[in-house]
Amino acid sequence: DAKTTQPPSMDCAEGRAANLPCNHSTISGNEYVYWYRQIHSQGPQYIIHGLKNNETNEMASLIITEDRKSSTLILPHATLRDTAVYYCIVAGGTSYGKLTFGQGTILTVHP
Amino acid sequence: DSGVTQTPKHLITATGQRVTLRCSPRSGDLSVYWYQQSLDQGLQFLIQYYNGEERAKGNILERFSAQQFPDLHSELNLSSLELGDSALYFCASSVGQGNPGNTIYFGEGSWLTVV
Repeated sequence: DAKTTQPPSMDCAEGRAANLPCNHSTISGNEYVYWYRQIHSQGPQYIIHGLKNNETNEMASLIITEDRKSSTLILPHATLRDTAVYYCIVAGGTSYGKLTFGQGTILTVHP
Repeated sequence: DSGVTQTPKHLITATGQRVTLRCSPRSGDLSVYWYQQSLDQGLQFLIQYYNGEERAKGNILERFSAQQFPDLHSELNLSSLELGDSALYFCASSVGQGNPGNTIYFGEGSWLTVV
């Protein structure tokens, strides 16, 4: 699976948009970008995933660059409950089930 | 609530002992995955079962084994426990056998402490 690079930590003010970047320059054509988050040792929570096109759901938006080498997760109106570790994962093909979690980005939302 | 149920939530046991962790996948999901999260190793994939058969294997120790039963629930057996096995063990499930685009949902985990 392609390796991902994320900043170790980010801050965001409550009510503002949180934009979390992820680099995945070695992503291959059949690999998806997934985002999960983990709030204080709870189970990882699925947020969103995409292949090529931008995606949006009730939690977040995922913007994937045209060359697919990087992506940004956008939480449009961050709340204190969004404070968590956010993981960007690239997976696909036969290894899809074996999600490889890196160190992630610790997002801290401030009042 | 992801719909994946894990028991027990917390477990304390002594070195050398054996424990069994149980997982019920989301309704309709045929794949079950086991992950281990420790302080020094992060979240690591252990093993996947699909409809009762082993589908993929990760960094699972020989002292550990898993199975998926006909009703699709799964058990992770950890034997000859060592202090280093203390970790959070997560179960996850998905509809398919690991198809890209399917979503994997995680349970809340079982905390294992080996003393």
